[in-house]
Amino acid sequence: QKEVEQNSGPLSVPEGAIASLNCTYSDRGSQSFFWYRQYSGKSPELIMFIYSNGDKEDGRFTAQLNKASQYVSLLIRDSQPSDSATYLCAVNRAGGSYIPTFGRGTSLIVHP
Amino acid sequence: GAVVSQHPSRVICKSGTSVKIECRSLDFQATTMFWYRQFPKQSLMLMATSNEGSKATYEQGVEKDKFLINHASLTLSTLTVTSAHPEDSSFYICSAGPESYEQYFGPGTRLTVT
Repeated sequence: QKEVEQNSGPLSVPEGAIASLNCTYSDRGSQSFFWYRQYSGKSPELIMFIYSNGDKEDGRFTAQLNKASQYVSLLIRDSQPSDSATYLCAVNRAGGSYIPTFGRGTSLIVHP
Repeated sequence: GAVVSQHPSRVICKSGTSVKIECRSLDFQATTMFWYRQFPKQSLMLMATSNEGSKATYEQGVEKDKFLINHASLTLSTLTVTSAHPEDSSFYICSAGPESYEQYFGPGTRLTVT
């Protein structure tokens, strides 16, 4: 079983819509959760991190964490074509480690 | 956010030669840096943790004698791919952060071994 699972997509949404990206993880002891955006041919850039159950909002982005169900999601409001990229979910290993394990990423396409 | 640089951005080398990739933290000091490899349409795979002033910690399955890591200062880590082969062609990315829980990636180095 993969440690961090993401639907590879592509997820296609119209401009202005809400894009919902999901991620599940297997290690119940994980404490830190991250979302990265990666454009084709580029390295990932950190969008958000979340540690506590519930929602965390930053501009158009909202991260949602549910540790009981072992999933973390990313909502992108008012999606723009420039949001088209691969979104990587990362989960730190349990035991207080800061070493992340990455999912394979979900490809998002925002069409005008 | 913090800035991490890598050099070179692209490198083409012949099979059997060695290639050195540098990772620098530009506006902070990093006692730990991470090296990743990413094949096309695949996830980031952690290769090793680079520790300033001590030996790197390699992930299972990564040959430490093939991928030499040196973290000689608080702002520089180097990855040397020794005796490179075509199967080593990949996108190599480092990460570092002012805090361990907040990592920023370098722009990556695309290695092509012919």
